[in-house]
Amino acid sequence: DIQMTQSPSSLSASVGDRVTITCQASQDIKKYLNWYQQKPGKAPKLLIYDASNLDTGVTSRFSGSGSGTDFTFTISSLRPEDIATYYCQQYDNLPPYTFGQGTKLEIK
Amino acid sequence: QVQLVQSGAEVKQPGASVKVSCKASGYTFSDYYMHWVRQAPGQGLEWMGWINPNRGATKYARKFEGRVTMTTDTSITTAYMELSRLRSDDTALYYCVRDRFGGIATFGPWGQGTLVTVSS
Repeated sequence: DIQMTQSPSSLSASVGDRVTITCQASQDIKKYLNWYQQKPGKAPKLLIYDASNLDTGVTSRFSGSGSGTDFTFTISSLRPEDIATYYCQQYDNLPPYTFGQGTKLEIK
Repeated sequence: QVQLVQSGAEVKQPGASVKVSCKASGYTFSDYYMHWVRQAPGQGLEWMGWINPNRGATKYARKFEGRVTMTTDTSITTAYMELSRLRSDDTALYYCVRDRFGGIATFGPWGQGTLVTVSS
């Protein structure tokens, strides 16, 4: 199974800060990487698919990049409503489709 | 709009089975795979498997093979996930989630989740 390692596991930042989360795959997954946001008590929401494509209606403050084994999710300017846990997920080749362990983002 | 509405919370004893339903609306049910993902309390997300409503084909994560059964009833656009031989570590929030684009494991939208508690 492909292992996904996210870092950091938690992050505290100030409003207006640029925030970056990384996700590393245990093997080459090409561009088959998605990012989700989960707010407390809510179901996850797709933000970015295929490593860098913003899903419909998602703010342009969010962006993704990377390919192969190393990927990055960035919030260009942190806002209070971005407080959530963020997960990466790979879907290369055969299942299981694995998630990173999550990054909990808090306001400083 | 696309909507997935799941059945209510369940409390089960160890060794029992649970069947969670997921009523879909707002799209052609047979055109998109349905996945099931679970989340233990305070933990991350774990993919359990998918079902193709068009033909009923399924693929389960190895961890759940032999214990999970995913089915659909296309006449009422509802998907089901049944987990048997429940253990305490099966206590989790269970989500149904549709393929975003059809045939690709990109997940969205999600149901609201069904809490399954396994306790004696």
